[in-house]
Amino acid sequence: AQKVTQAQTEISVVEKEDVTLDCVYETRDTTYYLFWYKQPPSGELVFLIRRNSFDEQNEISGRYSWNFQKSTSSFNFTITASQVVDSAVYFCALSEGFGDYKLSFGAGTTVTVRA
Amino acid sequence: DTGVSQDPRHKITKRGQNVTFRCDPISEHNRLYWYRQTLGQGPEFLTYFQNEAQLEKSRLLSDRFSAERPKGSFSTLEIQRTEQGDSAMYLCASNPRDSKGDSGANVLTFGAGSRLTVL
Repeated sequence: AQKVTQAQTEISVVEKEDVTLDCVYETRDTTYYLFWYKQPPSGELVFLIRRNSFDEQNEISGRYSWNFQKSTSSFNFTITASQVVDSAVYFCALSEGFGDYKLSFGAGTTVTVRA
Repeated sequence: DTGVSQDPRHKITKRGQNVTFRCDPISEHNRLYWYRQTLGQGPEFLTYFQNEAQLEKSRLLSDRFSAERPKGSFSTLEIQRTEQGDSAMYLCASNPRDSKGDSGANVLTFGAGSRLTVL
């Protein structure tokens, strides 16, 4: 069964628009990590954020913000005032338990930011 | 360069041939992971090592796939008798094990990947 669902395949926005990427996960574990990774055209996965299952506090880092809601099993990601350099594929991932980083990735959302 | 290195970056082979990929993790990282990414999909976990011990290999896709990390440093992933369905990006990642628990240093660092094309 798919553990991480990213329903949006592609999103296209004009520069300076906000964009929100949805992520819904499924697990029976009470301890887990959630991640977001960015994969630019160069191909290398770049770590953006990790949250553990006990920390539902939302987080903001510059133009990036994350909303973690256990009640809806969602971990959504918002880019504020998007820029062309934000164009990439973004992956949400789940790692069950603490310590073993056997990540289950979603299928990814391709974000294209047009100038 | 202190990142995760993978070699070769690209490999084109004919069906039925064997291929081997190498991964050099960050030197102080004792855990090493292999993932596979097919076009339009997220990476899929294959196997991982702690030092030279392979802690899980049940997710390797078939018995044609094998991985080693003989000295606990670099690792190799071998695919025997390649098939067209093996065409993918093979990603390596590493992280340090922190026995104290939750630590930002535990996050995986990925390499740029080895792209395999089977003709």
